[in-house]
Amino acid sequence: QVQLVQSGAEVKEPGASVKLSCKASGYIFTSYFLHWVRQAPGQGLEWMGIINPIGDSTNYPQRFQGRIIMTTDTSSNTVYLEVSRLRSEDTAVYYCATGSRRSVEYWGQGTQVTVSS
Amino acid sequence: DIQMTQSPSSLSASVGDRVTITCRASQDIGNDFGWYQQKSGKAPKRLLSGDSTLQSGSGTEFTLTLTSLQPEDFATYYCLQHNTYPFSFGQGTKLEIK
Repeated sequence: QVQLVQSGAEVKEPGASVKLSCKASGYIFTSYFLHWVRQAPGQGLEWMGIINPIGDSTNYPQRFQGRIIMTTDTSSNTVYLEVSRLRSEDTAVYYCATGSRRSVEYWGQGTQVTVSS
Repeated sequence: DIQMTQSPSSLSASVGDRVTITCRASQDIGNDFGWYQQKSGKAPKRLLSGDSTLQSGSGTEFTLTLTSLQPEDFATYYCLQHNTYPFSFGQGTKLEIK
């Protein structure tokens, strides 16, 4: 069965960077694109972008361009999300997700990121 | 960018009721679409037709019908289009017990 296991909670100061990880198992890693989605407290789901599992292409919404980087490591079946220049509005639960045909079928458990001075 | 508009944004119903949630896309997305259920503090879960739900639609209008609500169905529901970048979620529909 497909499993996505994410790294633990992070607390960062404004202006810092954070790098989250998500390790996939239960399927052929190179078969499915990977997404990152976040959810601020009390808010809805926000799609942050997608990466080809071999890591050679990404797509980010304009509002995140220049501030996030998604990468993969096919040797460890892991996808990463780095967010730089953190601000309080980045406080959220961050989810990795994957599925066939670029859909979202399977979700990680989520990683809480808190940005606070 | 494609806007996904869900209605209603909240809904109050009783166990055993039948409810319908609608999601409209601002342009044709074919069938590149999904429904998700999220319970408080948990990751969302993709809903497949037959999980006590009926799903229909294509193009710009999609519906999710929950037949005979059970206590575990009270949650927030989201739609997602994965047809055109940037992909986008609806704003959510909170289903509460009456």
